[in-house]
Amino acid sequence: KAGVTQTPRYLIKTRGQQVTLSCSPISGHRSVSWYQQTPGQGLQFLFEYFSETQRNKGNFPGRFSGRQFSNSRSEMNVSTLELGDSALYLCASSSGTGFMNTEAFFGQGTRLTVV
Amino acid sequence: SQQGEEDPQALSIQEGENATMNCSYKTSINNLQWYRQNSGRGLVHLILIRSNEREKHSGRLRVTLDTSKKSSSLLITASRAADTASYFCATARPGSARQLTFGSGTQLTVLP
Repeated sequence: KAGVTQTPRYLIKTRGQQVTLSCSPISGHRSVSWYQQTPGQGLQFLFEYFSETQRNKGNFPGRFSGRQFSNSRSEMNVSTLELGDSALYLCASSSGTGFMNTEAFFGQGTRLTVV
Repeated sequence: SQQGEEDPQALSIQEGENATMNCSYKTSINNLQWYRQNSGRGLVHLILIRSNEREKHSGRLRVTLDTSKKSSSLLITASRAADTASYFCATARPGSARQLTFGSGTQLTVLP
């Protein structure tokens, strides 16, 4: 079956602009999580959505937001972009059921560059 | 913040040798997962080990988990050049099973 699909793969934006990233999870998966990866901070959890509700949120400013649709597809939005937002943004998909066996499968990521 | 640290940060070996990477974490966990990342691309899921398991195998991969020491190790046997990548451990805590906390990663280079 198809894996996790993230679009677009690459983005270049200007400081102050806003951006929307998209993630389609594996069919049947109801949980979508977002992560930011930078050379300095490594991989950091942004937020997780399950059944259209945000369930967990990482330590990021309010400029970072997201949502999930009824078909489990998720979008992430960053407003008022800063240079430090340049990163690889990764989306992870999991079935969301159970707590001992929650394998998360990642997409190829969206490389965001803020200039 | 990073849950754990991985050791070593970088590892260079010859093809055919075994590679061992270690991961330490700080809090109690539900499970621990290992991922591979090739040069800034997405993360590939390798293996999940539950907190009540001590060892798990998948092909050339062997993972151990010691919850008393809050540590895990990933062994790749008979390494190939294609194994060259960054390897990350990620933990899921009780109550936040779908929020993964990643280690800092080990960069493995397998020389042909």
